[in-house]
Amino acid sequence: IAGITQAPTSQILAAGRRMTLRCTQDMRHNAMYWYRQDLGLGLRLIHYSNTAGTTGKGEVPDGYSVSRANTDDFPLTLASAVPSQTSVYFCASSDRGDAGELFFGEGSRLTVL
Amino acid sequence: GQNIDQPTEMTATEGAIVQINCTYQTSGFNGLFWYQQHAGEAPTFLSYNVLDGLEEKGRFSSFLSRSKGYSYLLLKELQMKDSASYLCAVRDSNYQLIWGAGTKLIIKP
Repeated sequence: IAGITQAPTSQILAAGRRMTLRCTQDMRHNAMYWYRQDLGLGLRLIHYSNTAGTTGKGEVPDGYSVSRANTDDFPLTLASAVPSQTSVYFCASSDRGDAGELFFGEGSRLTVL
Repeated sequence: GQNIDQPTEMTATEGAIVQINCTYQTSGFNGLFWYQQHAGEAPTFLSYNVLDGLEEKGRFSSFLSRSKGYSYLLLKELQMKDSASYLCAVRDSNYQLIWGAGTKLIIKP
């Protein structure tokens, strides 16, 4: 059983470095999402994609970019990491673009120093 | 603004019943979700309510009152494995999910 796979599981990087978090799903879901989770706050949507070839901005998109070249992959890139981007990042998917039941990856813990 | 409120932490005893409340103020309403998240793991779907009333699924039930902007998750016959955070999320008029910060449930023997 795969579902959604994220990589890396954990990463420490220096401020100013570029970083790409990978996300792959094998459920053929149309919609994919990137969230960040910080202590004391709810999950916050960074970017989303309702179908391959399209992307949209969520609640906190600044400093992040995404692409959706195909159905399965949805990478998240931090062009120049800053300490405030230290967080746990979750990739999720749903078979519908209207935020139906979400299936989450195991998360990527990112620390920016 | 949009807001989801739920208690930060609750403690209950193994075998007992616990109710976790969630109140919301959102731009429109298109359903309410509950997710369970064990420490260090991904959230997993528990329940979905779009109409008023109680939805029962085994030991877990979820209730919704749209007029009051209120939901609760009821967990019966608590087990140690139920120790987790429970996340409430509302789908707004734009079909975006608004998440609460989660309720950490501690189960004591």
